[in-house]
Amino acid sequence: NFMLTQPHSVSESPGKTVTISCTRSSGSVASNYVQWYQQRPGSAPTTVIYEDNQRPFGVSDRFSGSIDTSSNSASLTISGLKTEDEADYYCQSYDSGKRVFGGGTKLTVL
Amino acid sequence: QVQLVESGGGVVRPGRSLRLSCAVSGFTFSSSGMHWVRQAPGKGLEWVAVISYDGSDKYYADSVKGRFTISRDNSKNTVYLQMNSLRVDDTAVYYCAKDRGLGTSWCEYWGQGTPVTISS
Repeated sequence: NFMLTQPHSVSESPGKTVTISCTRSSGSVASNYVQWYQQRPGSAPTTVIYEDNQRPFGVSDRFSGSIDTSSNSASLTISGLKTEDEADYYCQSYDSGKRVFGGGTKLTVL
Repeated sequence: QVQLVESGGGVVRPGRSLRLSCAVSGFTFSSSGMHWVRQAPGKGLEWVAVISYDGSDKYYADSVKGRFTISRDNSKNTVYLQMNSLRVDDTAVYYCAKDRGLGTSWCEYWGQGTPVTISS
């Protein structure tokens, strides 16, 4: 079993770029795909990145994903921040058929 | 368009049972794996269970294994979550989600959730 650790919160100004990390506790981050979900207050989650760096149809190209084996982590980068990006973001990966979520990161755009 | 509608949530006493349903439309249900994911009040997402497209494979989170059972009826386009021996810490909003593939992929679409409260 492994855990995915995310910062509890991040904040940045509109128009800037922010990166949210997701560190895998054991095993290689490259072993299983990582997804990123956005959850706005009072709403269900939606997918913003799948399979490490793929964007679903309709998701802005301001969202990008990557993995870094040296730090054993995945990252979600949001450029040109907008107030509508303010939400909770969760990373997710796989563990022998089970799914593992990170604890979530609250993004504040101020 | 893809729709997932959960139902069956409510207030239940500890130790009792509850069955959640998720009716879907807008995609070929019999070709899609399905998940249940929950979110306790003010907390993050917790994956609960997944079932493959034909019901042959099922996986559970350790926290619910032996108490919860996921099943599906492809003739009714519905996935279920039978929850037994409920505990206070099972209190959460329960979401169903469509797998991108046959049950080995990620959560592509989500329902709006149904709240479950376990309280004496």
